[in-house]
Amino acid sequence: GENVEQHPSTLSVQEGDSAVIKCTYSDSASNYFPWYKQELGKRPQLIIDIRSNVGEKKDQRIAVTLNKTAKHFSLHITETQPEDSAVYFCAASYEYGNKLVFGAGTILRVKS
Amino acid sequence: DGGITQSPKYLFRKEGQNVTLSCEQNLNHDAMYWYRQDPGQGLRLIYYSQIVNDFQKGDIAEGYSVSREKKESFPLTVTSAQKNPTAFYLCASKAGNNEKLFFGSGTQLSVL
Repeated sequence: GENVEQHPSTLSVQEGDSAVIKCTYSDSASNYFPWYKQELGKRPQLIIDIRSNVGEKKDQRIAVTLNKTAKHFSLHITETQPEDSAVYFCAASYEYGNKLVFGAGTILRVKS
Repeated sequence: DGGITQSPKYLFRKEGQNVTLSCEQNLNHDAMYWYRQDPGQGLRLIYYSQIVNDFQKGDIAEGYSVSREKKESFPLTVTSAQKNPTAFYLCASKAGNNEKLFFGSGTQLSVL
């Protein structure tokens, strides 16, 4: 079935350290993998995405890696800052891109 | 950060009552989606619509209904058959040829 698993559910890091969140998906036909950041009481915001024809994408302190063979992808945040504290969701596309299925989310806390 | 407007921000439902959540977008997006968010469970798809006058059930459609009479509007009705309606409801939309999904600011529904 359509499924996205996300780990860990909570993550605490010291300011300046790196944070890594991992997701796995079930359908080998999935070809689009976005990451969203959601602050308390606000809407999810797209922070980075990757398509299946590339293995890595970077945007300043954020990077995403994709392993299509293993069907998993990861979010890497370097030099974390207190404002990075939020809930992060991964997602994978299904039904030829018509649907996004989300992971359960990771609560990231950056301690200063 | 407009584009997708959800109203109301907070909504209360009495036992046996149907309530309707509004979602309007001025982005000229073809596809619209409704997600339900519960703590620790990520975003679960309720209904989605690729074009006007057509929609499909998502993973948790029972107890909900939708309509898509206009491209800009995709209202969600939470019926009395939905026994556990308390949740944060998010509407989203995307252009037909683009995977990027944009969210509204959400409606918090609670039961009196």
